[in-house]
Amino acid sequence: EAGVAQSPRYKIIEKRQSVAFWCNPISGHATLYWYQQILGQGPKLLIQFQNNGVVDDSQLPKDRFSAERLKGVDSTLKIQPAKLEDSAVYLCASSSHTDTQYFGPGTRLTVL
Amino acid sequence: TQLLEQSPQFLSIQEGENLTVYCNSSSVFSSLQWYRQEPGEGPVLLVTVVTGGEVKKLKRLTFQFGDARKDSSLHITAAQPGDTGLYLCAAPYTGGFKTIFGAGTRLFVKA
Repeated sequence: EAGVAQSPRYKIIEKRQSVAFWCNPISGHATLYWYQQILGQGPKLLIQFQNNGVVDDSQLPKDRFSAERLKGVDSTLKIQPAKLEDSAVYLCASSSHTDTQYFGPGTRLTVL
Repeated sequence: TQLLEQSPQFLSIQEGENLTVYCNSSSVFSSLQWYRQEPGEGPVLLVTVVTGGEVKKLKRLTFQFGDARKDSSLHITAAQPGDTGLYLCAAPYTGGFKTIFGAGTRLFVKA
């Protein structure tokens, strides 16, 4: 079974630029999560989708972050414009009907 | 507000030593999970504990859920370099669907 795929693996941008991350969850998983993991901290949930509907986006900075999950499969997370404090690893995870979340390898974002 | 406090933050030990790391909270959780995250990878689920006082073993790893379901511990016997990584505890946020994570314990096992 293929795991959660993410791209790119690394991205370096300057502040005020835009960036987008892509996630392909495990086939058949209805729930998709985007987490932000700042160095030295645990993952923090940004947004959770159930199929293509949003379950929780309470910690998503909506003035600059946006996410979509078209057709209930792949998802993209966008930051526009980026700030220095957005430097982090962005993790995508998916789950089926159980609580077990399967994580992708993450995208490491550096904002200069 | 960090609801899950993990300790220690960092641990460096020699191969063969035993260790215990902790996950504490003032909140009661219906379940608690432990993950291991290796550099450049996402977290991987090790175990889920559900019942207060529950003990689960995974080879050399022993997980315990506190009787009051507010805390948990992970004990590693005879640590090996392959155990190196970031150990995260996680729990469902009370009343919600989301999972919250602790900041993790970074373990380094020297050969």
